[in-house]
This record gives sequence, structure tokens and C-alpha cells, in this order.
Amino acid sequence: NAGVTQTPKFQVLKTGQSMTLQCAQDMNHNSMYWYRQDPGMGLRLIYYSASEGTTDKGEVPNGYNVSRLNKREFSLRLESAAPSQTSVYFCASSEAPGGWHQPQHFGDGTRLSIL
Amino acid sequence: AQSVAQPEDQVNVAEGNPLTVKCTYSVSGNPYLFWYVQYPNRGLQFLLKYITGDNLVKGSYGFEAEFNKSQTSFHLKKPSALVSDSALYFCAVRDSPYNTDKLIFGTGTRLQVFP
Repeated sequence: NAGVTQTPKFQVLKTGQSMTLQCAQDMNHNSMYWYRQDPGMGLRLIYYSASEGTTDKGEVPNGYNVSRLNKREFSLRLESAAPSQTSVYFCASSEAPGGWHQPQHFGDGTRLSIL
Repeated sequence: AQSVAQPEDQVNVAEGNPLTVKCTYSVSGNPYLFWYVQYPNRGLQFLLKYITGDNLVKGSYGFEAEFNKSQTSFHLKKPSALVSDSALYFCAVRDSPYNTDKLIFGTGTRLQVFP
């Protein structure tokens, strides 16, 4: 059971380059999320998708775009990477609706460095 | 607005001793509270949750958490720590009193268990 799969695991970019982080889940979950994790700041929500075809901004959406391609896949795009976007990015999914207290399941992250 | 606070950046405990990782919360409406654990180079893993009912919640790996409404706290506990419990622990609260599965995470507490 793969759960939530993120690709790539590591990436180094130059300032101004673009890239897309991929995320797929095999648990038939409706909700999917993108977070970034920075030292001392915990996890901050970038974008959120409650269902296929819908996306909403989270706490720190500037500089990012997302696409909910289908129920399984939720991608995060950096159009013009900046050093401030150096971070570890996590994708997660949850079963909601089904009770508004279902735990989120996380991938193992993408470690992104912007030079 | 919903929020959680983890007042300790790091907690050190000797193997075999009891451990406590602290979390306080501020919410409108009923608190839906969660604990997650993160091992090095991995995503977050769900430990336990409080929705309603008993104030003592039991979770994975022998962890439990005590919900205290009067002190607005949800501390994570374990009677006897293991070296393998060393990890980063996050407390989280549901983002809104309304129907949502979005979470707000604390900044994390690093637990170090010494042999």
C-alpha cells in the first residue's frame, strides 16, 4: 500500500527556473493538501483541494500554483523559483467528508533548494 | 482564530522515564485536536486525536494524550520512553469550527530520549 507518493524526492533549482512537484494518493481520498516545512515554523498550508476540480489558497500561496488533475493527483508548480522557496514540501490527503476529523496522511516530502 | 502552541522546542528524557510533550490550544467551538510524529527524512504520521468523549486518548506506539478543557491543553504522554521515540512531534487543531478538514499545526517539539 503506497499511500501518498511524492516526486521528486530532491531537487536543486536556479532562481527563476520553474518546476512542478507531483503528488499521488491511492487511498481514494477526497481532500489533498500541499504544505511547506521550514525550521521553527512548523507546517504551513500552501494550497488545499477539497475534491477533484476545486482548489483553495492556504496560508502561504504566493509564488505557487496547483492543479487537481483527478482524484488521485495534486501537483504544485513554482513558476519562477526564488531562494525564499527553499523548503521541504509535503503533500497530504484525507478522507473528508466522512467526518470532519479524519487524520491526514503524508508523503515523505520533496527537498527543494533554490540557488 | 484557531491556534495551537508548543511551548518547548526540545524535550530531553532518559530512556524508561515518563515523557510529556506540551500543547495548548485556542479555538472557537469544539476543539478537534491531533498529534503527529515525524521521523528524520519522513512525512508526518498520525498518532492520536481528540474529538469528544474521554479526556484520556490512547494512540499508536503506547502514546496517550490528556485533554484538559479548563487549561486548554492537550499534552502528549508516554509512561516509559524509548530511544526510538526520538523524533519531532507536532500538535494540530482543526482550522475552523465549521466543516473543514484543514489543520493548523504547531511549530513542533523535538523529543530526544537518551539511553
